[in-house]
Amino acid sequence: NAGVTQTPKFQVLKTGQSMTLQCAQDMNHNSMYWYRQDPGMGLRLIYYSASEGTTDKGEVPNGYNVSRLNKREFSLRLESAAPSQTSVYFCASSEGVRRGAPTQYFGPGTRLLVL
Amino acid sequence: QQQVKQSPQSLIVQKGGISIINCAYENTAFDYFPWYQQFPGKGPALLIAIRPDVSEKKEGRFTISFNKSAKQFSLHIMDSQPGDSATYFCAAEKDNTDKLIFGTGTRLQVFP
Repeated sequence: NAGVTQTPKFQVLKTGQSMTLQCAQDMNHNSMYWYRQDPGMGLRLIYYSASEGTTDKGEVPNGYNVSRLNKREFSLRLESAAPSQTSVYFCASSEGVRRGAPTQYFGPGTRLLVL
Repeated sequence: QQQVKQSPQSLIVQKGGISIINCAYENTAFDYFPWYQQFPGKGPALLIAIRPDVSEKKEGRFTISFNKSAKQFSLHIMDSQPGDSATYFCAAEKDNTDKLIFGTGTRLQVFP
């Protein structure tokens, strides 16, 4: 099992460009998450999906959109990148607290630099 | 608004010593408290977790101490090893929402 995979690993964008970060999990988890990690800020939730076809805003959703394409895949889109979106982005998945399995499994991250 | 406050920001410990990281929370609706460990260039991974119905949980050299009345919980790493050098995050989950709120992280360095 690969667990949670993310592509790309690293990306450089110019201000105003768009891009989609891809995430896939092979653990048959219902819940999937996108976080950003910035120095001194910890991990902050951008968007969350409890199941295929549902998404919910997290703590810092502005400037992002998401798509839960199917149970395996959850993508994050930056429509018009800004330097403030320079960060490390992590995707995670879990079976969920309500199903007695709250552990979140994280991918290796995507390092994004917006110039 | 930081709902989970973590300290210290960084910690330097000698090999064999005890590492202690503290977290405090505000919302009494939090009911699941995990600790995640992150090595450089990797994603975080669950280390140990506790629910508020117990005051302590131990797994090997790692122990969570939980004080419900003070709304505080801490991670103790006994006999710290250089391989424990990593960033540690505490987190809290509220009321079966499936959403974790993370602390700001503690960078632990263990020197031989």
